[in-house]
Amino acid sequence: DTGVSQDPRHKITKRGQNVTFRCDPISEHNRLYWYRQTLGQGPEFLTYFQNEAQLEKSRLLSDRFSAERPKGSFSTLEIQRTEQGDSAMYLCASSPENEQFFGPGTRLTVL
Amino acid sequence: AQSVTQLDSHVSVSEGTPVLLRCNYSSSYSPSLFWYVQHPNKGLQLLLKYTSAATLVKGINGFEAEFKKSETSFHLTKPSAHMSDAAEYFCVVTSLYSSASKIIFGSGTRLSIRP
Repeated sequence: DTGVSQDPRHKITKRGQNVTFRCDPISEHNRLYWYRQTLGQGPEFLTYFQNEAQLEKSRLLSDRFSAERPKGSFSTLEIQRTEQGDSAMYLCASSPENEQFFGPGTRLTVL
Repeated sequence: AQSVTQLDSHVSVSEGTPVLLRCNYSSSYSPSLFWYVQHPNKGLQLLLKYTSAATLVKGINGFEAEFKKSETSFHLTKPSAHMSDAAEYFCVVTSLYSSASKIIFGSGTRLSIRP
């Protein structure tokens, strides 16, 4: 399968723990996006990479959130000191231009 | 500024009847518009896109959408609904001249198909 993959698909954690998600984009895509989607809502933009450079961050991305794309290939999204409000689906997308290809998402539940 | 409004949070149609999912947008620049479908526990899949070429856009699975600048609309239609069309649909607006944070998703329309 040459689509966007995300790992893990599901994560349950206790409040205060740190979690890290991984996204593997389509190999020739230089653009990578992270979104958060809560129940009944559309995805909300979190951050954007072009190659290894993080070019944009949303105001939604508090200082507990950090994202990296060290070699311009896969990306990680880390949430420190998780809160119950962080419970959501975290989506990754990659793109050659402005058409995005989405991964299946990581569903985070914070207890 | 860019925004997108999906006018119906839930649409229910009978199998074999037409589908209409409504989307209105606003954009400071020439918009690029997309429709995505999300089936339960699956990733978002692109149905179709408008990027300033033909105003009537045909997508996958028999869906199409028409860009109407005068009405600032990009409604999604399908002549005959199939049970497999039941899913959540998202209208998206962006622009070639906009930053990534200006990729705006609507709140979604849940499509139900009655047998």
